[in-house]
Amino acid sequence: GNSVTQMEGPVTLSEEAFLTINCTYTATGYPSLFWYVQYPGEGLQLLLKATKADDKGSNKGFEATYRKETTSFHLEKGSVQVSDSAVYFCALSGGGTSYGKLTFGQGTILTVHP
Amino acid sequence: NAGVMQNPRHLVRRRGQEARLRCSPVKGHSHVYWYRQLPEEGLKFMVYLQKENIIDESGMPKERFSAEFPKEGPSILRIQQVVRGDSAAYFCASSPTENIQYFGAGTRLSVL
Repeated sequence: GNSVTQMEGPVTLSEEAFLTINCTYTATGYPSLFWYVQYPGEGLQLLLKATKADDKGSNKGFEATYRKETTSFHLEKGSVQVSDSAVYFCALSGGGTSYGKLTFGQGTILTVHP
Repeated sequence: NAGVMQNPRHLVRRRGQEARLRCSPVKGHSHVYWYRQLPEEGLKFMVYLQKENIIDESGMPKERFSAEFPKEGPSILRIQQVVRGDSAAYFCASSPTENIQYFGAGTRLSVL
């Protein structure tokens, strides 16, 4: 079946530091890949997505590239802000009869200090 | 445009009671998904519904849990005879197609 493995957290950074959160996946077929962000007390918000190999998703300074050869979709940001503190989830959908349901990683807690 | 609305935001039940969680999808969305987030874990798929139909319930516990998405009104996730292990955050997501999903803020269920 499908699975997503995320870099374990929590991750603590100073403002303006470089961020990488690793994500690898196992899936049948050609999944779509997503990063979602969850702020405290809120639901998940789509941060970015990629639907085919070598696609790069980007939003709000965050980027991730769909790497089929390494089955990875690592999240990066060049300069984090305090407001980026949240939980980040890597997810995939697609392949077989998945009906679009999402398979999530366990989440990575990011804390950014001033 | 209103997003996905879930209510209540917080629900407290005693063991053995019933919990009913409601989800109103984005207007025009006909696909609804329910996920459960246990403490310190990621979200796990429970069920996928379209109007009046359950399409995939492979993530639903075999007993006590049921879901519906009637022609009119919100989608309902119902948990009968709740136990402490049901304590979790339950998220609903809606989609216009089987593509990008938009999530609600969730219902946090606490079972005493």
